[in-house]
Amino acid sequence: AQSVAQPEDQVNVAEGNPLTVKCTYSVSGNPYLFWYVQYPNRGLQFLLKYITGDNLVKGSYGFEAEFNKSQTSFHLKKPSALVSDSALYFCAVTPKQGNTPLVFGKGTRLSVIA
Amino acid sequence: ETGVTQSPTHLIKTRGQQVTLRCSSQSGHNTVSWYQQALGQGPQFIFQYYREEENGRGNFPPRFSGLQFPNYSSELNVNALELDDSALYLCASSLNPGQGGETQYFGPGTRLLVL
Repeated sequence: AQSVAQPEDQVNVAEGNPLTVKCTYSVSGNPYLFWYVQYPNRGLQFLLKYITGDNLVKGSYGFEAEFNKSQTSFHLKKPSALVSDSALYFCAVTPKQGNTPLVFGKGTRLSVIA
Repeated sequence: ETGVTQSPTHLIKTRGQQVTLRCSSQSGHNTVSWYQQALGQGPQFIFQYYREEENGRGNFPPRFSGLQFPNYSSELNVNALELDDSALYLCASSLNPGQGGETQYFGPGTRLLVL
C-alpha cells in the first residue's frame, strides 16, 4: 500500500528566504506525485505534479518540486518566501499502475514571518 | 469555466441522523471523488464515481454511500451519524478516473459537526 510522510508538522521561514517543505513516499512501482495547498476554511488548491520526465517540476505561484527516485522524495521549494505563502501544504501520491486513489500526507503548516 | 462547488458550507447534526452533501463538478469533468479530512489530518479517500458508477472505495463503512448524476454532479450520504464523522468533506473532480496522473480539482468543502 502506498503512503506519504511529511516529517515536519510546522516549518517557519523568514520572508524573502528560500523555503523547503519535505515529502517522502512509498509506492509500488513508479509514482505520480502531487502538491496541494490549503488556506484557512478553503479546499485544496493544486500546485504542481510529477508525471514523468524532468525531475524538477515547476508549478503555480513560483513553487517547484524535485523528484528524487533514489531517495523516494518530492520536496516542495520556493526561492523566496512570501507572507501570503503561509498555509497548510499536502503532498500526495498514487502509483502509475492501476486506478488507485490519491494518498495524502498529514500536511505541513508553513509560516512565513515578515 | 466554473470550478467545483459544494453545498452546504457548514452543517450541524446529531448522532444517529442522516446527512446529504452535494457537489457540482468542474465543467467537462466526468469523475468525482470524495474525501474526509479530520482535524489535523490529510484528506482520506472515501469513494470515486465515474460516469454514474462507483469506481473505487476507501476504508469507509457502508453507511457512507454516494450517487453521481447524468450531469456528473454528485452526492455523499452518511447514515447513522457518529461523533467521529465530524470533519471537512471534500469533493474533487477530474477529467478521468486517474490514469495518466489526472489532476483532481477540489471544492471548498462542507464542514460537518456531529453533536
